[in-house]
Amino acid sequence: NAGVTQTPKFRILKIGQSMTLQCTQDMNHNYMYWYRQDPGMGLKLIYYSVGAGITDKGEVPNGYNVSRSTTEDFPLRLELAAPSQTSVYFCASSYGGMGNTEAFFGQGTRLTVV
Amino acid sequence: AQKVTQAQTEISVVEKEDVTLDCVYETRDTTYYLFWYKQPPSGELVFLIRRNSFDEQNEISGRYSWNFQKSTSSFNFTITASQVVDSAVYFCALGSFGNEKLTFGTGTRLTIIP
Repeated sequence: NAGVTQTPKFRILKIGQSMTLQCTQDMNHNYMYWYRQDPGMGLKLIYYSVGAGITDKGEVPNGYNVSRSTTEDFPLRLELAAPSQTSVYFCASSYGGMGNTEAFFGQGTRLTVV
Repeated sequence: AQKVTQAQTEISVVEKEDVTLDCVYETRDTTYYLFWYKQPPSGELVFLIRRNSFDEQNEISGRYSWNFQKSTSSFNFTITASQVVDSAVYFCALGSFGNEKLTFGTGTRLTIIP
């Protein structure tokens, strides 16, 4: 049982480049999330999805886009990368809303924008 | 608005000592949930415990125990007889029923010195 799988684990982007962070889960969870973790700042919610075809913005959505065409996959797209997007990105999934249910996290993607 | 404060940024203790991680929360909800997650060096966050606002009983799981006090809005986490494997960043988080989002504290980095 793989749980939540994120790829890539590391990436260096140049300013202005674009990329997609992949996330897939095999637990048939309806809820999926993208967080970013900056040093000393905890985790900030970027986007989330309550099911296939439904997405919504979190606290810090600017500069990102998501889609949810299947239950399993929730890719995060960065358009026109900026140094402020240097961070560690985590994908997570949960059976119910994360506000009251255990969540499962991927191992993270460390992104550096130079 | 919900808020979680983990005032201890970093803690170091010698192996076998007991250590308590503090968590103070703010919410206007009458029904809410408190969580602790562990982030080991491998990166992914791992769920430790969920407690709802109507259950103030302390919980013990092996060397881990949690003290929930509504009167002081605190949900502290104690590790007894610490071990090197306990070295990690620990996050306290606050959510509510029907809310997909979780508010994380900034985390406490715990280092156990052999």
